[in-house]
Amino acid sequence: NAGVMQNPRHLVRRRGQEARLRCSPMKGHSHVYWYRQLPEEGLKFMVYLQKENIIDESGMPKERFSAEFPKEGPSILRIQQVVRGDSAAYFCASSQYTTDGRSSYEQYFGPGTRLTVT
Amino acid sequence: GQQVMQIPQYQHVQEGEDFTTYCNSSTTLSNIQWYKQRPGGHPVFLIQLVKSGEVKKQKRLTFQFGEAKKNSSLHITATQTTDVGTYFCAGTRGNTGKLIFGQGTTLQVKP
Repeated sequence: NAGVMQNPRHLVRRRGQEARLRCSPMKGHSHVYWYRQLPEEGLKFMVYLQKENIIDESGMPKERFSAEFPKEGPSILRIQQVVRGDSAAYFCASSQYTTDGRSSYEQYFGPGTRLTVT
Repeated sequence: GQQVMQIPQYQHVQEGEDFTTYCNSSTTLSNIQWYKQRPGGHPVFLIQLVKSGEVKKQKRLTFQFGEAKKNSSLHITATQTTDVGTYFCAGTRGNTGKLIFGQGTTLQVKP
C-alpha cells in the first residue's frame, strides 16, 4: 500500500518562473492538506481540499498561489512567478476523513518537495 | 488567529537523560496530535489526545493533555540516539481537521 507520494522531490526555479508541485494521496484517502515548512521552522497550514473542492484556503497567500484536487489525478499546488521567499519544503498530507465529530483522523505526510528559487 | 506555542525550541541531552517538550494553545483545542520529524524527513504521526486530562504512553514516551485542553506535553524517559528529531504538537479546533502546528522542539542526543 503506497504512502503519500509527492513529486518532484527537489525543484529549482528561477525568479519569475512557475512551480508545480504534485501530490497523490494514500489509496482510499479523499482529503488532502498542503503545508509549507521554512528551514528551522514548523509547518504552516496552507490549504485543505477534497476532490474538486477547496474546503479551507485560509493559509494560502492571496496572490500567485493556487491549489486544486481534480476528480482524476493528483492534487496540484501551483506557484506563479516565484520569488526567493517561496523557497521552502512543501509537504502534502492526506487523511481518510477529517473528523468523527470527536477526534481528528491522523494525517499521513508525503516526503515533501524542496523548492529552491534562484 | 489560533496559535500553538511550543517550548523549548532546542534541547540537547546526554543519552539516558529524560526530555520534555511543552505545547500551549491560546484557545481550547478539540484534540491534539504529536508528530516526529527526523532530519531531512517528513512528519510522522505519533499519537492523538482527545479527552481533558488524558494521559497516553508509548514505551518510553508519555503524552498528556491538560485539563483545560489548552496545553499538552511529551516526555521521553531515558533518551536514546534514535529519539533524535523534531517533535511537533498540532492542535485542531472544531471539525475541520485542519492542524495548527507548534514550532517544534528539536532534540539532540549525545551518545
